[in-house]
Amino acid sequence: GAVVSQHPSWVICKSGTSVKIECRSLDFQATTMFWYRQFPKQSLMLMATSNEGSKATYEQGVEKDKFLINHASLTLSTLTVTSAHPEDSSFYICSALNTGGESGANVLTFGAGSRLTVL
Amino acid sequence: SQKIEQNSEALNIQEGKTATLTCNYTNYSPAYLQWYRQDPGRGPVFLLLIRENEKEKRKERLKVTFDTTLKQSLFHITASQPADSATYLCAPSGGYQKVTFGTGTKLQVIP
Repeated sequence: GAVVSQHPSWVICKSGTSVKIECRSLDFQATTMFWYRQFPKQSLMLMATSNEGSKATYEQGVEKDKFLINHASLTLSTLTVTSAHPEDSSFYICSALNTGGESGANVLTFGAGSRLTVL
Repeated sequence: SQKIEQNSEALNIQEGKTATLTCNYTNYSPAYLQWYRQDPGRGPVFLLLIRENEKEKRKERLKVTFDTTLKQSLFHITASQPADSATYLCAPSGGYQKVTFGTGTKLQVIP
């Protein structure tokens, strides 16, 4: 089945540094990927929609200069948290839209998530 | 504004019983509704999808219903097992790219 690889699975960084998270679709092409953020015991909050070859579409309230998204190929999207601060500490999860899924519906295949801790 | 609500924060159920989880949505007209399972510290995994013209869908011990009049989907796990313990997320979708999730229901199956 469809697999999405996300890494690093966890990262600890100092305040003010930047962190890059990679999301790869391993056995299918993903023209669209989504980035979510999840706080403890809360649901997934959509941050942005990433389309290959074009600028990402950010949800309201998400700072595009803070969370840089690049979708340079059909199998890779990256999220860079720039000048990270402790309040950016969270669980970040990517997903790829698999239009070849069940009956052509837009099913999401998720990565395993990346736990970011900013000291 | 669009809203997705799932019943209660946690659902405890005895092993072997049927677990029923509810998903209600407002200000949506989804073409289909998806259900995902999320284990702690992991990304969600797709379970089932039901289309607006389907009343019911089954997959092994899972059953999903979809009532577009009530704007509600029910997710059933029959003969529940401790391994079914997880958080279950619903996502009304279709017709637009982005997928938004409900708050999730944490299911605990007690041996």
